Amino acid sequence: KAGVTQTPRYLIKTRGQQVTLSCSPISGHRSVSWYQQTPGQGLQFLFEYFSETQRNKGNFPGRFSGRQFSNSRSEMNVSTLELGDSALYLCASSGTNEQFFGPGTRLTVL
Amino acid sequence: AQSVTQPDIHITVSEGASLELRCNYSYGATPYLFWYVQSPGQGLQLLLKYFSGDTLVQGIKGFEAEFKRSQSSFNLRKPSVHWSDAAEYFCAVDPGDNAGNMLTFGGGTRLMVKP
Repeated sequence: KAGVTQTPRYLIKTRGQQVTLSCSPISGHRSVSWYQQTPGQGLQFLFEYFSETQRNKGNFPGRFSGRQFSNSRSEMNVSTLELGDSALYLCASSGTNEQFFGPGTRLTVL
Repeated sequence: AQSVTQPDIHITVSEGASLELRCNYSYGATPYLFWYVQSPGQGLQLLLKYFSGDTLVQGIKGFEAEFKRSQSSFNLRKPSVHWSDAAEYFCAVDPGDNAGNMLTFGGGTRLMVKP
């Protein structure tokens, strides 16, 4: 089976812009979770989508949003980018109780 | 709120030496427990997991971990470290209440291996 894929792998944006990241889960997996990884805050849970519905949400501002399509692919969007949004964004797909991670998207906000 | 603590930010061991990485969690019930490894610029790879049953679990790459309920710990061990094990290791917990998939991670332990 192909693993979790994330596109793009690298992004550079400027403050105030918005960005959309994409995640394709492992075939058959219906759950996709998103995490932010920064040197200061570590790995933090953003949100989880299951069957096109947000099932869980972490403690992030409303600028961070996501969605899931009928094929389980997921996107996350960050609006009005801030310097502090620079991070590695990881998505993970799950069929049961374990999560498989993609390689991440490295976002740099200038 | 649940939390995960990895007391050691950095650990250096000699190649061939044994390794133990510590993990303590704070949660009301017994959560699902995981260890992940991350190489520079890469995503997270699952090493092993504990859901229930035998408290000593075996994982990939020769790693094992022991769940100790009385100590709220889930320490990762390897009897003989290889240079390729140099990476960052994360302990994580999931509520395990079938409410979904949302991991809480520890701060990570960076492992360096001396030749």
